[in-house]
Amino acid sequence: NAGVTQTPKFRILKIGQSMTLQCTQDMNHNYMYWYRQDPGMGLKLIYYSVGAGITDKGEVPNGYNVSRSTTEDFPLRLELAAPSQTSVYFCASSYSGQGGYEQYFGPGTRLTVT
Amino acid sequence: DAKTTQPPSMDCAEGRAANLPCNHSTISGNEYVYWYRQIHSQGPQYIIHGLKNNETNEMASLIITEDRKSSTLILPHATLRDTAVYYCIVRSGGTSYGKLTFGQGTILTVHP
Repeated sequence: NAGVTQTPKFRILKIGQSMTLQCTQDMNHNYMYWYRQDPGMGLKLIYYSVGAGITDKGEVPNGYNVSRSTTEDFPLRLELAAPSQTSVYFCASSYSGQGGYEQYFGPGTRLTVT
Repeated sequence: DAKTTQPPSMDCAEGRAANLPCNHSTISGNEYVYWYRQIHSQGPQYIIHGLKNNETNEMASLIITEDRKSSTLILPHATLRDTAVYYCIVRSGGTSYGKLTFGQGTILTVHP
């Protein structure tokens, strides 16, 4: 299993541009998540999904959109990029939301908006 | 979810046990204690979790006090590769969607 994969690894955007961060998992997990991590800080949840076709906002959803058309894929869309979105973005997946379980994280996408 | 408190940094000699404490005094009955670590800006890595019993796996041991208000992660024989930020997280095991709330964590530095 490849686990959770993310592309691209690095990206530089100009203010106002848009892009999609890709996330794919091959573990048949129903839950998927997007986090961002600013320098020296912990991770903050942007969006999550409990299954194909179902998404919901996390702590910091403004400026982002997501979709979940398949179990495997959970892309994150940035519209009108702003310098405040400079961060490292991590995608994660897990089994059902009930009970104790672990989340598996991807390697991250490092985004700079200038 | 309950809030956790961890020391900002700790040191450990290579080959010795690393004991990382975590306070979670407001934990409720259905909340699990999770430990993750993050090595040099890589994606966080799951280490272990528990509800009320002590747990052990190939990476670490988790000791939870009887009143569940604190816990300790033990890395039995720390290596240089264990240098990382360690996060203690408390999360509901109920119908929550599984959100993990990451605090500042403890920076563990393992010295030769």
